[in-house]
Amino acid sequence: NAGVTQTPKFQVLKTGQSMTLQCAQDMNHEYMSWYRQDPGMGLRLIHYSVGAGITDQGEVPNGYNVSRSTTEDFPLRLLSAAPSQTSVYFCASRARGSTEAFFGQGTRLTVV
Amino acid sequence: DQQVKQNSPSLSVQEGRISILNCDYTNSMFDYFLWYKKYPAEGPTFLISISSIKDKNEDGRFTVFLNKSAKHLSLHIVPSQPGDSAVYFCAASRVTQKLVFGQGTRLTINP
Repeated sequence: NAGVTQTPKFQVLKTGQSMTLQCAQDMNHEYMSWYRQDPGMGLRLIHYSVGAGITDQGEVPNGYNVSRSTTEDFPLRLLSAAPSQTSVYFCASRARGSTEAFFGQGTRLTVV
Repeated sequence: DQQVKQNSPSLSVQEGRISILNCDYTNSMFDYFLWYKKYPAEGPTFLISISSIKDKNEDGRFTVFLNKSAKHLSLHIVPSQPGDSAVYFCAASRVTQKLVFGQGTRLTINP
């Protein structure tokens, strides 16, 4: 049982480039979320989804897009990378009715 | 507006003693509170939770206390072990809504 899988683990982008961070879960969880972790800021919610076809913004959504075409996948797209998006990104999933979220291993992104 | 706050960025405790990590929240509508543990280069992992209808929950060496009137919760680790050295995140939620995290506290257990 793989749980939540994020790819890639590391990425370096140039300012202005676009890319997609992948997230897949095999637990049939309805809820999926993307967080970023920055020093002193904790885990801040970027976008989340309560089911296929349904997404909503979190605390820091600007510069990111998401879509949820299947229950399993929740990709995060950076449209035009900026140095302020240098961070560690975590994807999480949880079952409907549960508050326990399961996290992926994270993607460390550097924008130069 | 930070709804969940961990005001101590770091805490150092001697092995075998008690570690107490604190967390404050502002939203009285939260009905579940959780603690997550995070090692470097890994994702956070669930540690323990408490429902707002309780004031204490225990799981082995870990106990979480909830004081609703003060909007405060704490995590007690007794006895502290070197493997407990990690960053601990407090989180709060309503069952049907998003999970909100605090800033984290880095716990170091000294031999």
